[in-house]
Amino acid sequence: SAVISQKPSRDICQRGTSLTIQCQVDSQVTMMFWYRQQPGQSLTLIATANQGSEATYESGFVIDKFPISRPNLTFSTLTVSNMSPEDSSIYLCSALGGPGHGSTEAFFGQGTRLTVV
Amino acid sequence: GQQLNQSPQSMFIQEGEDVSMNCTSSSIFNTWLWYKQEPGEGPVLLIALYKAGELTSNGRLTAQFGITRKDSFLNISASIPSDVGIYFCAGPYNQGGKLIFGQGTELSVKP
Repeated sequence: SAVISQKPSRDICQRGTSLTIQCQVDSQVTMMFWYRQQPGQSLTLIATANQGSEATYESGFVIDKFPISRPNLTFSTLTVSNMSPEDSSIYLCSALGGPGHGSTEAFFGQGTRLTVV
Repeated sequence: GQQLNQSPQSMFIQEGEDVSMNCTSSSIFNTWLWYKQEPGEGPVLLIALYKAGELTSNGRLTAQFGITRKDSFLNISASIPSDVGIYFCAGPYNQGGKLIFGQGTELSVKP
């Protein structure tokens, strides 16, 4: 089955700075997504990463705060910009349509645990 | 909008006991997914359900797709310490593979 690797796995950042999280899938996938999981909470979709075009953001999330790139079928980045302590969360990359996974069975990276101080 | 209500929020059980959790939706789903998340990891898919009434097993785990298509259940039989984690139900909304997640059920198993 396809596997997602995320980097970094965790980071502690100063407020006002930005962090870029990388997501690499070991095979081509149809779709890639970014989720946020706030402490003790469930997962909330931030956006769909579209290959070669602007990401599609969910209500409450904007491109200026969470710019996303997806240059090809296996790689995406999420940047958390101008961070504040409220951005402290786990950020998860997800994909659909990879080998070994059903077409509607999203699979996930291990997550990036971000703490903003 | 669509919401998934998952219960119970947490469970503290003795090793060997059976566990049951459920998820209800305000609207119909065509697919139900059950994930497990362990500390420091991303969610891992346990069971996928595609048809109303479907009952699917994965080892000691059994999940059912409710007849009304608005609910789903996950049962774990004879729990063991490695069952500890947070279990999430999820379903696709709109189109394009986006998932909505339940609030999660945190399971603790006492040896």
